[in-house]
Amino acid sequence: AQTVTQSQPEMSVQEAETVTLSCTYDTSESNYYLFWYKQPPSRQMILVIRQEAYKQQNATENRFSVNFQKAAKSFSLKISDSQLGDTAMYFCAFMNGGAQKLVFGQGTRLTINP
Amino acid sequence: EAGVAQSPRYKIIEKRQSVAFWCNPISGHATLYWYQQILGQGPKLLIQFQNNGVVDDSQLPKDRFSAERLKGVDSTLKIQPAKLEDSAVYLCASSLGPAGGQETQYFGPGTRLLVL
Repeated sequence: AQTVTQSQPEMSVQEAETVTLSCTYDTSESNYYLFWYKQPPSRQMILVIRQEAYKQQNATENRFSVNFQKAAKSFSLKISDSQLGDTAMYFCAFMNGGAQKLVFGQGTRLTINP
Repeated sequence: EAGVAQSPRYKIIEKRQSVAFWCNPISGHATLYWYQQILGQGPKLLIQFQNNGVVDDSQLPKDRFSAERLKGVDSTLKIQPAKLEDSAVYLCASSLGPAGGQETQYFGPGTRLLVL
């Protein structure tokens, strides 16, 4: 079974700083997808960024980028120029290409301080 | 494009009572998911539908939980009878599905259930 581990339960940085959230996963599959979701206090789960395992290039979405290390099974999220609105729980998630079922990590609570 | 809709947003019930949640996915999305998120944890898949058929319900406690998606569009999730440990946020998500080649799941706002 696939597992996803987020080793940082909580993180806190100052506004405008750069922060990196860690995620590791375990799988024997070759076709899979990785996601970072953001969950603010409203509880709505919002997609931040996705990465296809077959792509070597790291995904980027504006201030958000990932460092995908396939051999190490690592998928970290970097947030540049952090903003107060980035305060939320961040979940790393894995999806087996065939099953389409998301397996989530335990989450990292990120607080951006003014 | 309208997002995933869920109702109610909040529900408080006594243990052993029954409760039902409703979800309407994004138009055209063939795959619908129900997740349970206990406080402090990541969401856990309860059941996955492809159109109106069940793809995966391996983690659904079938003695008390049931779900249906009769016309392949909206879905209901029921708990009967509820236990204290069912207190959680129930999230509905949808995706285009394998035929659409789009794996990204889009989530609704969730229903927060408190069982007393």
